Amino acid sequence: KNEVEQSPQNLTAQEGEFITINCSYSVGISALHWLQQHPGGGIVSLFMLSSGKKKHGRLIATINIQEKHSSLHITASHPRDSAVYICAERSGNTPLVFGKGTRLSVIA
Amino acid sequence: GAGVSQSPRYKVAKRGQDVALRCDPISGHVSLFWYQQALGQGPEFLTYFQNEAQLDKSGLPSDRFFAERPEGSVSTLKIQRTQQEDSAVYLCASSPRTGLNTGELFFGEGSRLTVL
Repeated sequence: KNEVEQSPQNLTAQEGEFITINCSYSVGISALHWLQQHPGGGIVSLFMLSSGKKKHGRLIATINIQEKHSSLHITASHPRDSAVYICAERSGNTPLVFGKGTRLSVIA
Repeated sequence: GAGVSQSPRYKVAKRGQDVALRCDPISGHVSLFWYQQALGQGPEFLTYFQNEAQLDKSGLPSDRFFAERPEGSVSTLKIQRTQQEDSAVYLCASSPRTGLNTGELFFGEGSRLTVL
């Protein structure tokens, strides 16, 4: 069974800081997803990537297939970025496997 | 509706009670997933429907858990004789794509179950 590990578990940053959240997985994947979960519980998809790098606004996601590692970066962080960020891997004909999430708090 | 709707949002049950959680997927979405998310954990797969067919229920933790989607739209997750370890947020997600491994998921807000 593939395992998805995220670090750090919790992260507190000052507004404006550059933030990096890491995700490692144990077996080959077809795609990796980054998702955001707000305190109300709803989850929204941020990125799906299988290689290279994607950018959307202040969010950047990268993946290194050889190292089985992905990172989510947030530039110029803002308090509204406070949420739980979850990575999930997709491989074979199995449901997404989710990491435990990284709880981010951005303080003004 | 515009998104996936789940009800109730919050449910408190006494140990041993039966509970039913409802999911209204996005109209026209053929795939529907149920996940269980314990406190501080990521979502864990419970079961998958393609239209009305339950194609995978390998994640259901015990025979006290039962899910149905009789008309291929609304789904209900039922938990019988609830136990304290059933306390979690139950998330529903739908997708316009078929397949257990689809990544195009639209999540509801979840139903938070607390068993006392």
